[in-house]
Amino acid sequence: AQSVTQLDSQVPVFEEAPVELRCNYSSSVSVYLFWYVQYPNQGLQLLLKYLSGSTLVKSINGFEAEFNKSQTSFHLRKPSVHISDTAEYFCAVESADSGGGADGLTFGKGTHLIIQP
Amino acid sequence: ETGVTQTPRHLVMGMTNKKSLKCEQHLGHNAMYWYKQSAKKPLELMFVYNFKEQTENNSVPSRFSPECPNSSHLFLHLHTLQPEDSALYLCASSQGANQPQHFGDGTRLSIL
Repeated sequence: AQSVTQLDSQVPVFEEAPVELRCNYSSSVSVYLFWYVQYPNQGLQLLLKYLSGSTLVKSINGFEAEFNKSQTSFHLRKPSVHISDTAEYFCAVESADSGGGADGLTFGKGTHLIIQP
Repeated sequence: ETGVTQTPRHLVMGMTNKKSLKCEQHLGHNAMYWYKQSAKKPLELMFVYNFKEQTENNSVPSRFSPECPNSSHLFLHLHTLQPEDSALYLCASSQGANQPQHFGDGTRLSIL
């Protein structure tokens, strides 16, 4: 079984300031890691993922996340935020030992990123 | 447009009603999922289907009954629901294991 902890339920940040959204996970098996973003009245959209290889992964809109196995973390960062980044951000894990069939995601509670002008 | 369409977007029903939620994916994926999103709680995985076969039932009460007639369609049949079942129900699909899941916009369900 896995669990995901997002320590901050809400993070207010001024526009053009840097931001870090924290994510820690617990699992007895290897996992894959994901960040999803949810805008109001919409479903979740994949922001970025870590499956293997380089521990630093980047999205096309300036976000990046680094997998730290020793600290079981996958924090999300952006050097300069924009008003349009206001949304709910979810960290999620999936077991890497699914036996070939698709498995479901285990999500954190989410972090509401609020960008202030 | 995510390629995953959910209908209806909103549903209000009484506790004695029977209704169904529908999900359709146009992505050629082989796996489909139902999640429940309640306020101040993590998204909860409800059901997983791989190649139309249910592979996971995450201790969901029997008043929720899923159906996957083919790899493109997924239903969630509802009957005698409780007020605590009011939530946003999200459908997702993926190509398979370890592949990103694509989500629909959800059905906002309110139980009177």
